[in-house]
Amino acid sequence: GAGVSQSPSNKVTEKGKDVELRCDPISGHTALYWYRQRLGQGLEFLIYFQGNSAPDKSGLPSDRFSAERTGESVSTLTIQRTQQEDSAVYLCASSLGRVDTGELFFGEGSRLTVL
Amino acid sequence: DQQVKQNSPSLSVQEGRISILNCDYTNSMFDYFLWYKKYPAEGPTFLISISSIKDKNEDGRFTVFLNKSAKHLSLHIVPSQPGDSAVYFCAASAANNNDMRFGAGTRLTVKP
Repeated sequence: GAGVSQSPSNKVTEKGKDVELRCDPISGHTALYWYRQRLGQGLEFLIYFQGNSAPDKSGLPSDRFSAERTGESVSTLTIQRTQQEDSAVYLCASSLGRVDTGELFFGEGSRLTVL
Repeated sequence: DQQVKQNSPSLSVQEGRISILNCDYTNSMFDYFLWYKKYPAEGPTFLISISSIKDKNEDGRFTVFLNKSAKHLSLHIVPSQPGDSAVYFCAASAANNNDMRFGAGTRLTVKP
């Protein structure tokens, strides 16, 4: 597609359930990022994928969070045993290369509500 | 830790006037700075950037100023238009780091 695509756009789940969020980056973009935005806060870095290199997972808040990416295509962010504090908009972004030399292209986000 | 700070959560200006959005950062390793604009229910979109080797970058109605000694940057929009009403995020990154740090955003409202 022309832009970064994320699904689902909205997800409401019960505390303790697992959720899976999907990101389809712009074709040809080697770098892929996951961010989350809690209410009233900025964008919080979660994880970064660059080509076939080992991902930078330094932003993942706990071991309940994990992400995968197959090659330079789709990425999945998984949150296990969701907690209410996981409620946020999860944003995926892709870029042609390193973040310090180019802009990020964001998807519309997946809004997660944990009841 | 909040390495990028936007201390004004909101700003309201009259159409045709100048909008000035401010951003402060604490990490002296940051060397690339960007502004993103976000409309409701959409992802942020890139607006303008500046490298630390410059102190000003201009693109049409948008100008970003960087004051490295003060660790401060600002976005000027002139003249402001109602379509500029959005949330503006300041972001910063370092050459030796993969992640880009974002501020909390400033909601700009331009009144007709």
